Amino acid sequence: GESVGLHLPTLSVQEGDNSIINCAYSNSASDYFIWYKQESGKGPQFIIDIRSNMDKRQGQRVTVLLNKTVKHLSLQIAATQPGDSAVYFCAEGGYSSASKIIFGSGTRLSIRP
Amino acid sequence: NAGVMQNPRHLVRRRGQEARLRCSPMKGHSHVYWYRQLPEEGLKFMVYLQKENIIDESGMPKERFSAEFPKEGPSILRIQQVVRGDSAAYFCASSRGQGRDGYTFGSGTRLTVV
Repeated sequence: GESVGLHLPTLSVQEGDNSIINCAYSNSASDYFIWYKQESGKGPQFIIDIRSNMDKRQGQRVTVLLNKTVKHLSLQIAATQPGDSAVYFCAEGGYSSASKIIFGSGTRLSIRP
Repeated sequence: NAGVMQNPRHLVRRRGQEARLRCSPMKGHSHVYWYRQLPEEGLKFMVYLQKENIIDESGMPKERFSAEFPKEGPSILRIQQVVRGDSAAYFCASSRGQGRDGYTFGSGTRLTVV
């Protein structure tokens, strides 16, 4: 069954502020997590990933934090821009071999001007 | 270097007809994954294929749905005798099969059953 879920279905953020999107997972054996961004009418776009042997990983304006103790994952977007409006999915996969990725239900991020 | 190509982008079928969705993976990618997305929901895994082999079809309905990835040509997701509940966006992703390198999604096919 699905093991990845999200806390909030929608998030509204003021332009320029930081956004934090949360995700919980239930499978303690999960060893790889990915955040995807999906804009309307498009396929999911890879944002950032993290392996279970890490607590934090940074990209350009994005940071993913992993708390294995409470099985929690978050995506932080710095200085949120209108172009960040989308649905964000966390997903879980197995890193060591080619395998399916399991998606959570998504959080819609909207930006207030 | 073209990305994952899916066609058609939009497909309308009457109940009872057949739907055929095509996915051409990125160059050099031999692993293909199909997902279904209902409106306002996440993507649900359907099937994982390598060239000429189905590796994992645990997410695909047992009846009316089939998938193939032949030695030559695109991967095909086939839905026979479509029903209104089949209306969804169907996404394909491809990878080289090495960890998470190059797991890329196409733009999807939006199937509407009328």
